[in-house]
Amino acid sequence: GESVGLHLPTLSVQEGDNSIINCAYSNSASDYFIWYKQESGKGPQFIIDIRSNMDKRQGQRVTVLLNKTVKHLSLQIAATQPGDSAVYFCAPGGGGYNKLIFGAGTRLAVHP
Amino acid sequence: IAGITQAPTSQILAAGRRMTLRCTQDMRHNAMYWYRQDLGLGLRLIHYSNTAGTTGKGEVPDGYSVSRANTDDFPLTLASAVPSQTSVYFCASSESGLAGDHGELFFGEGSRLTVL
Repeated sequence: GESVGLHLPTLSVQEGDNSIINCAYSNSASDYFIWYKQESGKGPQFIIDIRSNMDKRQGQRVTVLLNKTVKHLSLQIAATQPGDSAVYFCAPGGGGYNKLIFGAGTRLAVHP
Repeated sequence: IAGITQAPTSQILAAGRRMTLRCTQDMRHNAMYWYRQDLGLGLRLIHYSNTAGTTGKGEVPDGYSVSRANTDDFPLTLASAVPSQTSVYFCASSESGLAGDHGELFFGEGSRLTVL
């Protein structure tokens, strides 16, 4: 079945550094990928998405890279800030939101 | 502020009792979803509804039921709660059931349920 894995369950970075959170997926039919951020005690919040016909997409301080060949995507956060501390989920899917598979998440800890 | 409202925020429930978690959205979104979140397992879809009047089963539907009588409300019912249903439950909505077509998936703040 579909599985979503994360290379690092916890990532610690210094404030101002760039952060890279990785995500591997197993279903080659996935054609839409979303990254979510979840702060403690809150619901997940959309960060950025990317379709399978793209290999890179940029947002405000965030960039998502997609490598379909190796079924891997990453979220890059530039100039990481304390407010970026949260759990980050990737969710590959295809067709409908009911097909999204959420990974367990990577915790990002930003230190001053 | 527009968005998704879940109630209750937190509840402790005796096993065997019936419980309904409420979810209301004011964005006029067509699709709504219920997820449960357990430590180390991520979000798992329980039930969903692509439009008012229709529902579908997700990954972990057993022990739960939903209804979608109108666009705004999507209650989740546990007919007879068991301890394994202790979890944090998130309601979500999207303008369309098709991922990527019409914006994003919006989540509520969650309902923490403990079944003893």
